[in-house]
Amino acid sequence: NAGVMQNPRHLVRRRGQEARLRCSPMKGHSHVYWYRQLPEEGLKFMVYLQKENIIDESGMPKERFSAEFPKEGPSILRIQQVVRGDSAAYFCASSRGQILPEAFFGQGTRLTVV
Amino acid sequence: AQSVTQLGSHVSVSEGALVLLRCNYSSSVPPYLFWYVQYPNQGLQLLLKYTSAATLVKGINGFEAEFKKSETSFHLTKPSAHMSDAAEYFCAVSGNFGNEKLTFGTGTRLTIIP
Repeated sequence: NAGVMQNPRHLVRRRGQEARLRCSPMKGHSHVYWYRQLPEEGLKFMVYLQKENIIDESGMPKERFSAEFPKEGPSILRIQQVVRGDSAAYFCASSRGQILPEAFFGQGTRLTVV
Repeated sequence: AQSVTQLGSHVSVSEGALVLLRCNYSSSVPPYLFWYVQYPNQGLQLLLKYTSAATLVKGINGFEAEFKKSETSFHLTKPSAHMSDAAEYFCAVSGNFGNEKLTFGTGTRLTIIP
């Protein structure tokens, strides 16, 4: 059973470009969470999705950031018009969504904006 | 609202010595508590979790943590440090309703002195 798969592992974008980060949850998991880790900081919650639904996006910046988890395919975190401050590690976690969830994390995508 | 405070952003211990990493939480509802370990350029791996069963929780790699409600603490310990324990450790809290997002502390970097 493969773990949570994130790609790419490393992504370099110039200011103003779009960044698209992908997350394939573990088999049987229908809940996905995105977190952002800035240098020397802990992880900050961004968004929680179930298939085709955004459940909680309270941690998402109001502009330029969006996320989706379609019925088929991976979850996508999209950052439009990237700026230097978007440089960070973005982690995806997935869970079965039972009462006692255990979220499994991917290895992250490290975004560098130049 | 929930929050986590990890005292000590850097901790150094000698190989074979006791490891103690401190975590205090704040939660308006009965919490679930977690410790995760992150090795360089890797994702997060769950060490152990407290979900309102036994207050002393045993995890992987010889780590354990004790939930103390009166002190709002969930400190992580290991009797004898090993070189392979060098990593970043994160304490996290979530609500107990299931599928709740995790709120992380800022992390403690553990260094093992040979």
